[in-house]
Parts: sequence; structure tokens; C-alpha cells
Amino acid sequence: QKEVEQDPGPLSVPEGAIVSLNCTYSNSAFQYFMWYRQYSRKGPELLMYTYSSGNKEDGRFTAQVDKSSKYISLFIRDSQPSDSATYLCAMSPNAGNNRKLIWGLGTSLAVNP
Amino acid sequence: NAGVMQNPRHLVRRRGQEARLRCSPMKGHSHVYWYRQLPEEGLKFMVYLQKENIIDESGMPKERFSAEFPKEGPSILRIQQVVRGDSAAYFCASSTTRDRIGNTEAFFGQGTRLTVV
Repeated sequence: QKEVEQDPGPLSVPEGAIVSLNCTYSNSAFQYFMWYRQYSRKGPELLMYTYSSGNKEDGRFTAQVDKSSKYISLFIRDSQPSDSATYLCAMSPNAGNNRKLIWGLGTSLAVNP
Repeated sequence: NAGVMQNPRHLVRRRGQEARLRCSPMKGHSHVYWYRQLPEEGLKFMVYLQKENIIDESGMPKERFSAEFPKEGPSILRIQQVVRGDSAAYFCASSTTRDRIGNTEAFFGQGTRLTVV
């Protein structure tokens, strides 16, 4: 079993839809959770970063962490065609350590105009 | 301020040849990470370097792979005697400070796609 599981999709939604992207994990030591967006043929870029449980909102994006269920989510409101990309979750047991990030395989999202 | 620059974007090598991948970090960044991305495995950390120092190479295969970040010039990831299994996307990321994520993120380059034929 992988430490981080992420449904690869593809997920196809109409413009304006609310998108829900999810990851589950098995290591209860994970404390730091990140969502990255990766456009085709580009490198990942950090979207959201949360510590422990709870919600964090940034514009149209909301990240949720439920440590009791070992489940994290990224919600995108009013989705746009420019949101079409692969979304990667990543997590780490401790802060300040890019080396220890465990990555999901990514979910491919297509937002159709 | 240019982002992290990687070249070449695409590299084709025959089995047994050497592959040299270059990464120029963002201006002012002195910390470089190399990752490999395979469709079925996701992103995997390979090596973390500062100028003239390898800080952590725990993710590097024991043989054929090496990395450097000289005082002047780009960071180089070198793969000797490439095999088909080395075909992947290789990403470099740079940051300003040691091992910071979240508030001080690592910025990724566009990657080098290595194909071994």
C-alpha cells in the first residue's frame, strides 16, 4: 500500500463547477500537507500549505485536513478552464523538509468551457 | 527575475550513453533539489545540494547517478551508462533557505524529459 493515495482521474467538469480533489494517507506522523498544481510539461507549483487539521482558504481554493480520517481535500470554487492541470498532494512528518515530502501521483482535472 | 531554468527540456540518449541535466536556480537561491517523476511512482526526492556541498543524497541510486552544484555555474545531474529505466522527467527545485517548505517554498523548473532508446 502506498503511503499516499490519490485517484488519478481524469476528472472532467464544466466551467463554474465546484471541484473536490482528495488524498488519503496511511502515516499518522504526517503533519504538513501541501497541494501543488502541475500544468502539462511544466514543474509543480505550490498552491496551498496547511499544518495539522483544519481548513485554509485562499481565493477560490480551500484546503481541508482531517487527520482522524487521514484524508485531505482541495476544493476549487467557480472552476475555470485555466484550472485544467494535474493536482498533486504532498505531505511530510515535519516542517522545513522538502526532502521528506511524500507525493501523491496526481489527479488530472479538465475544466470544460 | 527568471525562474528555475532547466536544460535541455528534452534529451534522448541511447542505452550506455551519459546524460547530463543542468539546473540554474532562481537568482538568490543557493539550495537545489533534484526529483524524478515517473507516471506510476510520482515525484521522488533524489538529492539536495548547496553550493559546493551535497547535503543529502539519500534518494540517489547507488550507482551511475551523481550530482554537483559548483561555486559557479548550474547544478548538474549526471547519469552514466543510461538504461531504459532511467527514462523519466527530472525536476530541479531551488529555495532561498535550507529545507523550508510552505512559507518559503521551493520553486520548480520545467523539467528535463529523458528518453533512453
